[in-house]
Amino acid sequence: AQTVTQSQPEMSVQEAETVTLSCTYDTSESDYYLFWYKQPPSRQMILVIRQEAYKQQNATENRFSVNFQKAAKSFSLKISDSQLGDAAMYFCAYGDYSNSGYALNFGKGTSLLVTP
Amino acid sequence: NAGVTQTPKFRILKIGQSMTLQCAQDMNHNYMYWYRQDPGMGLKLIYYSVGAGITDKGEVPNGYNVSRSTTEDFPLRLELAAPSQTSVYFCASSEKQGARTEAFFGQGTRLTVV
Repeated sequence: AQTVTQSQPEMSVQEAETVTLSCTYDTSESDYYLFWYKQPPSRQMILVIRQEAYKQQNATENRFSVNFQKAAKSFSLKISDSQLGDAAMYFCAYGDYSNSGYALNFGKGTSLLVTP
Repeated sequence: NAGVTQTPKFRILKIGQSMTLQCAQDMNHNYMYWYRQDPGMGLKLIYYSVGAGITDKGEVPNGYNVSRSTTEDFPLRLELAAPSQTSVYFCASSEKQGARTEAFFGQGTRLTVV
């Protein structure tokens, strides 16, 4: 089974600064997808960014970008110009075609605190 | 634009009681999932469905049952509730069209078994 590891239970960043959240995964597949989801206190799971493994170019979405290192099986999330609204739990997730109807495997999450 | 709707949002059950968590999606997605989220943990897959009439077990299916009689609905049944089933439950749906493998989530149900 594919595993997803987030080694940082908590991170803190000052407003307007940049923070990087780490994620590593284990898989024997060559074609898969990686995601970062944000979970604010409201509990809603919100997709932040998505990366297809066959694409070498790192995905970006406004202030959010990833550093995808396929050989190292690493998928970190960089948040630039951090805002108070970025405070939340962030989950790294993995999905592929062989996995239970394309269900996602999640890491344990990183709690991000944003200070003024 | 409802997306995925879960009911109820909160529920307290006594040990041994049963209940059904409702989930409905209006995006005509074939794939639907039930996850549970325990404190300090990521989401774990309970059951999934790849289409109406087709369901299968995920990582943690014990104590639960599902059915999928329509594309829209995917209820989760808890029989003989136990304290270990205290958790937050998420329903999700997705449609695999090339690279668009995004999963859409409901707002979750917080269940406490006492």
